[in-house]
Amino acid sequence: SQQGEEDPQALSIQEGENATMNCSYKTSINNLQWYRQNSGRGLVHLILIRSNEREKHSGRLRVTLDTSKKSSSLLITASRAADTASYFCATAQGAQKLVFGQGTRLTINP
Amino acid sequence: ETGVTQTPRHLVMGMTNKKSLKCEQHLGHNAMYWYKQSAKKPLELMFVYSLEERVENNSVPSRFSPECPNSSHLFLHLHTLQPEDSALYLCASSQVHRGLSEKLFFGSGTQLSVL
Repeated sequence: SQQGEEDPQALSIQEGENATMNCSYKTSINNLQWYRQNSGRGLVHLILIRSNEREKHSGRLRVTLDTSKKSSSLLITASRAADTASYFCATAQGAQKLVFGQGTRLTINP
Repeated sequence: ETGVTQTPRHLVMGMTNKKSLKCEQHLGHNAMYWYKQSAKKPLELMFVYSLEERVENNSVPSRFSPECPNSSHLFLHLHTLQPEDSALYLCASSQVHRGLSEKLFFGSGTQLSVL
């Protein structure tokens, strides 16, 4: 069953602005991960946050997790044209099962 | 380069053909996965192999047949496919520790078109 639901489905901003994407899920999780995908390519892992963590940073990325609301957000600060891609959240439901949402298509305009 | 290599990158096949997709990982991981990505649909987990045993089969039609001869190689054998099977097929690998998978490393995918 589909788990992560990203919001918005599409986001277009100017270069230099911050981009925020949200993810909601339905069942308990072990961890939540964010991935990036350039058009027609494989996914690249960005960041993993465990169920007992609330916030995590990696470079220009900031991820939050609210297990009481079953939601997560990904913030990309000071966006660049190269950040244009689709971003997916994925929830780990037990062993070896990572379930992805439909993704947010992010466009950074120069 | 993610350490996961998929071939071919593109494949066009007729509904009566038999073809195979190949995936190889050079990361020493102990789990490998097949995902299907169709337009406007979430990634669908098809199969999971852990330590060369199939541990997940998400109700995939029998016209898709996976094979994992060792921990570094994964195949997806295709026969009598339907046009709706046209999609991007992604292979991934991960290291499973104490029954939990950490991050996945994906290949670039095979873009499959069924005519």
